[in-house]
Amino acid sequence: EVQLVQSGAEVKKPGESLKISCKGSGYSFTTYWIAWVRQMPGKGLEWMGIIYPGDSDTRYSPSFQGQVTISADKSISTAYLQWSSLKASDTAMYYCARHQPGEGGFDYWGQGTLVTVSS
Amino acid sequence: SYELTQPPSVSVSPGQTARITCSADALPKQYAYWYQQKPGQAPVLVIYKDSERPSGIPERFSGSSSGTTVTLTISGVQAEDEADYYCQSADSSGTYCVFGTGTKVTVL
Repeated sequence: EVQLVQSGAEVKKPGESLKISCKGSGYSFTTYWIAWVRQMPGKGLEWMGIIYPGDSDTRYSPSFQGQVTISADKSISTAYLQWSSLKASDTAMYYCARHQPGEGGFDYWGQGTLVTVSS
Repeated sequence: SYELTQPPSVSVSPGQTARITCSADALPKQYAYWYQQKPGQAPVLVIYKDSERPSGIPERFSGSSSGTTVTLTISGVQAEDEADYYCQSADSSGTYCVFGTGTKVTVL
């Protein structure tokens, strides 16, 4: 069974750093792109970027370039999303999602990680 | 920046048909995908490549494309279909993914 399991909710202060994770199982982790998607409270979905764990090829949305870092450790089938200095505006639910090769679209999603940034 | 435009809301009575549109310039060149998101849950893919339905998705969900607009149709709407729906596609170069603005479907 394909699963993407994300790390738990985080409460941080502005200026702090954070790294959240997304562990894949039940499929060949290195051969599917993994995307990160932001959903701010009461708002829509925003594509942040995507990584190919096989070679760590990474693409970012222009809106998030320089604001976050996406990485992956294929040895433990885990993708990461990290911030070096959080802002209150980073408060959101973050989802990872697997991209279907060929067919396109995101066929499996993690359960989401809620990040709250507050002083 | 590239945008996919959806109506904010659609209301429909049980058993009727709901149609949700998504418009953007690059849609004739790029496939569209549709996701259903219920409160407190992760999105679920309901249509891929404009009109294909993943296994496990009810037949009442269908997709179509015409020019710069794609449409998700829910035939014979049921109460459980009440959710937010998002289209998704890519910019004309295929470099960047983008989600639509989202449509809240209310079953009256």
